[in-house]
Amino acid sequence: EVQLVQSGPEVTKPGESLKISCKGSGYNSFSTYWIGWVRQRPGKGLEWVGIIYPADSDTRYSPSFQDQVTISVDKSTSTVYLQWSSLKASDTAMYYCARQAEVEPASHFDYWGQGTLVTVSS
Amino acid sequence: EIVLTQSPGTLSLSPGERATLSCRASQFFSSAYLAWYQQKPGQAPRLLIYGASTRATGIPDRFSGSGSGPDFTLTISRLEPEDFAVYYCQQYGSSPPFTFGPGTKVDIK
Repeated sequence: EVQLVQSGPEVTKPGESLKISCKGSGYNSFSTYWIGWVRQRPGKGLEWVGIIYPADSDTRYSPSFQDQVTISVDKSTSTVYLQWSSLKASDTAMYYCARQAEVEPASHFDYWGQGTLVTVSS
Repeated sequence: EIVLTQSPGTLSLSPGERATLSCRASQFFSSAYLAWYQQKPGQAPRLLIYGASTRATGIPDRFSGSGSGPDFTLTISRLEPEDFAVYYCQQYGSSPPFTFGPGTKVDIK
């Protein structure tokens, strides 16, 4: 069974750094499926953040998130990360990781993690 | 960047009724690259339809997708109680970002 298990909720202050994780399991070849991140602010819709290809760390970002976050991967532990160097209150949201169904970057998400709630408040 | 518009914003229907949800793109892209997701409160989104019309594994056949760029439709033939949720379309037919629409909420009348 394909599973994406995300790290737990985080409460942080503006200006702090943060790294959340998403561990994949239950499918062959973690490295050959793109993994993406999706933001959902409280009461709002889904926003596509970016995707990473674990085999070579090829990463694509939405222009809205470029330079705001960093997506990385550790193939040895089948884990993808989303990190911030300086959080803002506007980063408060639920963040989902999701696996893309196809090997090419243009694909839909077929499996989703349970979400990580990030709260940024002074 | 392709912008997706969904209508209506909210659809109020009764169980057993038919739901028709619309998704319109700001520019043309291949219909092979349109997906629909369902999200219930407190849950992660779930894939319903991909390639505009292919049901994902385990999705009941009351859900169907149709259309081609730039207009797409998700139809729920007879609403079941568990179908009341928010539905999002997503395009992945051009270069990133692979944008989502703002969502349509289907609630109980």
